[in-house]
This record gives sequence, structure tokens and C-alpha cells, in this order.
Amino acid sequence: SQQGEEDPQALSIQEGENATMNCSYKTSINNLQWYRQNSGRGLVHLILIRSNEREKHSGRLRVTLDTSKKSSSLLITASRAADTASYFCATDTGRRALTFGSGTRLQVQP
Amino acid sequence: EAEVAQSPRYKITEKSQAVAFWCDPISGHATLYWYRQILGQGPELLVQFQDESVVDDSQLPKDRFSAERLKGVDSTLKIQPAELGDSAMYLCASSFGQGRNEQYFGPGTRLTVT
Repeated sequence: SQQGEEDPQALSIQEGENATMNCSYKTSINNLQWYRQNSGRGLVHLILIRSNEREKHSGRLRVTLDTSKKSSSLLITASRAADTASYFCATDTGRRALTFGSGTRLQVQP
Repeated sequence: EAEVAQSPRYKITEKSQAVAFWCDPISGHATLYWYRQILGQGPELLVQFQDESVVDDSQLPKDRFSAERLKGVDSTLKIQPAELGDSAMYLCASSFGQGRNEQYFGPGTRLTVT
């Protein structure tokens, strides 16, 4: 079973626009991570946010975490065609390996 | 930059045949994971190793799947016999473990069972 659920399932934007995707989860977590997957490839770790953090930045990425709502969001600013990929949130509850959501498929039109 | 290696990248096999996948994690990573990813879904854990020991194989279909990491380095995942429903991407990942659990993924093996 998958704990995290991303929203929307698919997103299409123009280059230069911002992309926002959301993740909701069900149980308490130690941290939440976001990964990117290009078509037919392995996943690449983007950013980790701990349960006691509310916001984190890495380059054009901004992640927020609201543990009271059990939700997180990933914002990609000034998107590029190369950002086209699937994005997954993954939760670490400390009890077993990461549990991944079903992903958001982002298409950035040049 | 160190990477997780997997082979083969693609495998086509007939149902009831045996198939094996190999993974070489990043040097120094104690924790190794095998995931299965069905098209359009997120990865789901099959088995997790800490060094050579299995720490979680609760989602591994043990009647047909087996995994080993004999020397605590590289790992093999086997399916015997393969079924049509096993068609998926099989991903290997590794991490330092012990609280540093950002995972590094290999390119995956795309399995098609006919």
C-alpha cells in the first residue's frame, strides 16, 4: 500500500511558469523526501525535509511541510523543459523503508 | 560520481521461466533495497538489506521471489517461475543507513513476461 498521494496526477505548464505539486500522507513521519524520475529511468533524490522543519529550499525547489495537515508541497520555480518528469513524495516513518506515493507527471512545454 | 549499477537493463522472458537481476550499490552503503514499480505507480518495496541481513521482506512473494546479498555488497533478486503479472520495472537503491536514508537509485531493469 502507498501512504503518500500526490495531487495533481498530471500537470502541464509552459516553460518559465511555476509548478506546484502536493503530497498527503496518513501516519506520523520522521521526514519526507521528494524524488524525480525521468521516463524509464531510476529515481533521483531532490530534497529531504524533517518533521520539525516547515520549509526548505534547494535551488529552484521549495518544499513545505505541514505535519498538522499531514501534507507537503513541492514548488518548482521558473520551470524548464528539462524539468519534465514524474515527481514522487516518499515518507520515512522510522519503522521500515520509504513509502512512495503514486506520483505527479509534470510536462513542461517549451 | 558514484552510481548504483543494475543489470540487465531490459529482460524479456516467457512465463514459467526463471529470471535474475543484479545490483551493485554505491560503495560504503550498508542498506540496499529492491523495489518493484508498475507503470504509472510509485515504487513498492520488495526487500531491504542491512549489510547481508534481510531486515524487511514482508512484501516479497516468497513462493516465487528470492533475494540475497551474501557478502553485504552486491545483491541478486530472482523470480522463479515468472508470471505475466511480474512485468514491471525492478529498481535497486542504496543508502548509508543509520539515519541517513536518502536513497540512491539505479537505472532499473524493465522486465516483460510473455
